[in-house]
Amino acid sequence: NAGVMQNPRHLVRRRGQEARLRCSPMKGHSHVYWYRQLPEEGLKFMVYLQKENIIDESGMPKERFSAEFPKEGPSILRIQQVVRGDSAAYFCASSPGPGSGRTEAFFGQGTRLTVV
Amino acid sequence: GNSVTQMEGPVTLSEEAFLTINCTYTATGYPSLFWYVQYPGEGLQLLLKATKADDKGSNKGFEATYRKETTSFHLEKGSVQVSDSAVYFCALSFSGGSYIPTFGRGTSLIVHP
Repeated sequence: NAGVMQNPRHLVRRRGQEARLRCSPMKGHSHVYWYRQLPEEGLKFMVYLQKENIIDESGMPKERFSAEFPKEGPSILRIQQVVRGDSAAYFCASSPGPGSGRTEAFFGQGTRLTVV
Repeated sequence: GNSVTQMEGPVTLSEEAFLTINCTYTATGYPSLFWYVQYPGEGLQLLLKATKADDKGSNKGFEATYRKETTSFHLEKGSVQVSDSAVYFCALSFSGGSYIPTFGRGTSLIVHP
């Protein structure tokens, strides 16, 4: 049973370009969370999605950032017009969701975005 | 809102020393509690969990007990190894409704030979 798959593992973008980060949740998981981790800092929640729905995006910057989790395919975190301050590790986690009796989230290996 | 507070690191120990990393939480209701470990360049891995008061989670020699009266979930290990060097995150989550796992800032553990 494959775990949470994120790609790419490393992504380099020039300022002003777009970054697309992909996350395929564990099989049977319908809930996806995106977190950002800056060097020497903890995990900052960004957005919580179910299939075709954004449940909570309170941690997402209002501009340039968007996320989706379509009916088919992986969840995508999109950052438009990247700036140096967007350089960070972005982690995706998935869980079965409420009602499953399981509360733990499982993480991918992360995408390390570097903006040059 | 919900929050998790961990002791600041880094925690530096010699091999075979006893480890405690403190974690306290604030939550409305009764969450499940977790410890995750992150090795350099990797994602977070679930280390152990406890779902109700007085439960003890354990794995790989690590233990933590869910203390409702002190709202704590301290991580302990009797004898650390160099390979335990990593960042440890305490977290909470709920089983119902729209829940978002909430994490502490992480505590870096460095174990010297």
